[in-house]
Amino acid sequence: DVKVTQSSRYLVKRTGEKVFLECVQDMDHENMFWYRQDPGLGLRLIYFSYDVKMKEKGDIPEGYSVSREKKERFSLILESASTNQTSMYLCASGILTSGSSYNEQFFGPGTRLTVL
Amino acid sequence: GQNIDQPTEMTATEGAIVQINCTYQTSGFNGLFWYQQHAGEAPTFLSYNVLDGLEEKGRFSSFLSRSKGYSYLLLKELQMKDSASYLCAVKDSNYQLIWGAGTKLIIKP
Repeated sequence: DVKVTQSSRYLVKRTGEKVFLECVQDMDHENMFWYRQDPGLGLRLIYFSYDVKMKEKGDIPEGYSVSREKKERFSLILESASTNQTSMYLCASGILTSGSSYNEQFFGPGTRLTVL
Repeated sequence: GQNIDQPTEMTATEGAIVQINCTYQTSGFNGLFWYQQHAGEAPTFLSYNVLDGLEEKGRFSSFLSRSKGYSYLLLKELQMKDSASYLCAVKDSNYQLIWGAGTKLIIKP
């Protein structure tokens, strides 16, 4: 079974703190993704990576950065946390394919971050 | 812009059938996914449609009409454990997933 793990299930931080969210996958997937999920909104893509040291901005990258030093690990960094970054953060991984081929994403359990 | 529409919430009775609709307007189409997400848990894959028609997988079926920009997820013989949110997502021309806000399904005994 594919396993995607995230470093914390719950996290409470203060405004202005630097926050690191870690994600590790064990299936040698090329693609890794960071989403945030808020009530009434769909999953919104923050950043994704299709290879080591490669990163691409998603729909809402402002206030975030990412790091992918190893294929299995993708980190999300909040440089200076703000209250509007209180959210559920979901990491996902998947095989690198193109076209209309089937390539589902596998999700981690999520980190619920509260910024006070 | 790109848009995925699903009902916010639906209620159904244990043992019954429910259909969850999804309409989409996206820049290109390279497949449609349905995911299930129980409260406080990660989304898990249910189905994938890229051609028009019905895909059946046990109690769950998914239908796609590309010309209408429409899909539905059909759940039969509902069980209490089917209480969850159901997420519709479309892979666009850039092969990125565009997600709907999800439909919360409540099953009553």
